Amino acid sequence: AQSVTQLGSHVSVSEGALVLLRCNYSSSVPPYLFWYVQYPNQGLQLLLKYTTGATLVKGINGFEAEFKKSETSFHLTKPSAHMSDAAEYFCAVSAPNFGNEKLTFGTGTRLTIIP
Amino acid sequence: ETGVTQTPRHLVMGMTNKKSLKCEQHLGHNAMYWYKQSAKKPLELMFVYNFKEQTENNSVPSRFSPECPNSSHLFLHLHTLQPEDSALYLCASSQEERRETGELFFGEGSRLTVL
Repeated sequence: AQSVTQLGSHVSVSEGALVLLRCNYSSSVPPYLFWYVQYPNQGLQLLLKYTTGATLVKGINGFEAEFKKSETSFHLTKPSAHMSDAAEYFCAVSAPNFGNEKLTFGTGTRLTIIP
Repeated sequence: ETGVTQTPRHLVMGMTNKKSLKCEQHLGHNAMYWYKQSAKKPLELMFVYNFKEQTENNSVPSRFSPECPNSSHLFLHLHTLQPEDSALYLCASSQEERRETGELFFGEGSRLTVL
């Protein structure tokens, strides 16, 4: 079974400050890892994903995440927060090459940007 | 035009009503999904259809009845719902269920309120 833990259901950062959203996963096989973003009144949109290869992945809107196997983590970062980054962020895990195609989502982290 | 369109966006219904949610994807995908999003809970996978065939029913109560007439359309028929069924219902699609990329494309959701 796979699972995802997102530390902090709410995170507030000042505009221009570093954004760090934490995600730890549990998987008995090499995982695929994802960050999705949900803006108010919208569906989820893929921000970035790790499947294989380079452990530092870059996504849209200046976000990036690093897969750290030793720490079972996939934290999401952005050097400088913008007001438009205010949204809810979901970490997710799957293992489609090992028979588990289903995405397992975390409970989400709501990011608030302080002007 | 978004790739995945859901209607209605908002629905209020009584416990004895019968209503349906509709999802249409314009991406040429072969797999479609229904998810339930409730506050402070992970996204819950409800149903999966791959090439119009239901491949997963995640122990969903029979008051929710899915229908997939073709790879582009997915319905969720609702009857005799309970107040705890109030949630955001998200439709998603992917290239096919056993997908290498693991990426889902979501609609904007249908906000359901059961009185």
